[in-house]
Amino acid sequence: GQNIDQPTEMTATEGAIVQINCTYQTSGFNGLFWYQQHAGEAPTFLSYNVLDGLEEKGRFSSFLSRSKGYSYLLLKELQMKDSASYLCAVRDGVTGGGNKLTFGTGTQLKVEL
Amino acid sequence: EAQVTQNPRYLITVTGKKLTVTCSQNMNHEYMSWYRQDPGLGLRQIYYSMNVEVTDKGDVPEGYKVSRKEKRNFPLILESPSPNQTSLYFCASAGLRATNEKLFFGSGTQLSVL
Repeated sequence: GQNIDQPTEMTATEGAIVQINCTYQTSGFNGLFWYQQHAGEAPTFLSYNVLDGLEEKGRFSSFLSRSKGYSYLLLKELQMKDSASYLCAVRDGVTGGGNKLTFGTGTQLKVEL
Repeated sequence: EAQVTQNPRYLITVTGKKLTVTCSQNMNHEYMSWYRQDPGLGLRQIYYSMNVEVTDKGDVPEGYKVSRKEKRNFPLILESPSPNQTSLYFCASAGLRATNEKLFFGSGTQLSVL
């Protein structure tokens, strides 16, 4: 099985940097995804990590340490539109046909002026 | 435009009245899945399908049925809905050719069972 933990809520200021952490325990790790979800809308893909290290994509970066079961999503130059829930999801390479994604409960980020 | 289309967007029904939520994707994806999302519980997988005529249970399959007769369609069926199935439902699809294939989500179906 899998267990994914991430903070429930975070607040940050427009223009600042925020780091959202995710820790996981899994029997067959096969990649970690970050999704953004605005209220009432579908999740949209942000990033993917399968090897240790940092993946950078514009204002968003994601880091993975497989030995520590740890990832973070870094958002720079925060904008009001970044207020959303951020979902950490781990893919299990063993169950679910090798493609099952298990989601954390999400971190609700509020960006303030 | 590549997309996953779910219908209806909103649905209010009564206990015991059979309903179907449709899902269709135009990306020729092998993998399709249904999730429900509830406050404090996150997205939980109901059923998934690896290809036509291949379906399997996810984490919360009780009270649901699915079918995959065509590659593009993956309907979710509630034979006898109950109030505890009131939730926000998402259909999703993905290819299986590369390890970094991401899930594409439909726009969601907000279901209320009275």
